[in-house]
Amino acid sequence: NAGVTQTPKFQVLKTGQSMTLQCAQDMNHEYMSWYRQDPGMGLRLIHYSVGAGITDQGEVPNGYNVSRSTTEDFPLRLLSAAPSQTSVYFCASSPYRGPYEQYFGPGTRLTVT
Amino acid sequence: TQLLEQSPQFLSIQEGENLTVYCNSSSVFSSLQWYRQEPGEGPVLLVTVVTGGEVKKLKRLTFQFGDARKDSSLHITAAQPGDTGLYLCAGAFGSSNTGKLIFGQGTTLQVKP
Repeated sequence: NAGVTQTPKFQVLKTGQSMTLQCAQDMNHEYMSWYRQDPGMGLRLIHYSVGAGITDQGEVPNGYNVSRSTTEDFPLRLLSAAPSQTSVYFCASSPYRGPYEQYFGPGTRLTVT
Repeated sequence: TQLLEQSPQFLSIQEGENLTVYCNSSSVFSSLQWYRQEPGEGPVLLVTVVTGGEVKKLKRLTFQFGDARKDSSLHITAAQPGDTGLYLCAGAFGSSNTGKLIFGQGTTLQVKP
């Protein structure tokens, strides 16, 4: 199993550009989520999905969109990049049952200039 | 809003020393997880605790869940340079099956040879 994969590993955007961060998992996990990690702030939940066709907002959803057309894929779209979105982004998957142990991807380091 | 307070935020010790990291909340956890993250990688699950008063051991790491399920600690005995990394606690709150976790800010541990 590859686990959770993310692409790209690094990305530089100019303010106002849009892009999609890709996430895929091969563990047949129902639950998938996107986090951003900033220094001193731990991981903050952006959006999550409990299954194909179902998504919901997390703690910091503004400026991001998600969709879940298949169990395997959960892309994160930045609509109009801003410098405040400079961060490291992690995708995670989990079986949808307590205690929701997360399996993380390797992350995407995004810089917005 | 549920918060997880982790302390200390930074810890620099010599090889062979012992250390304890704390994770506290004013709310009751339904479960709590500890993750370790190395630079450039995603967090990796170390342990999950569910029952108040539970103690779990993973080699030189001892994890404890408070009796009231509002706090947890991670104790490392005879730390080694390979223990260097970011340690994160993450809690699930309430009985609703949302699968959402709240992460602490993290503790950066440096073990010097």
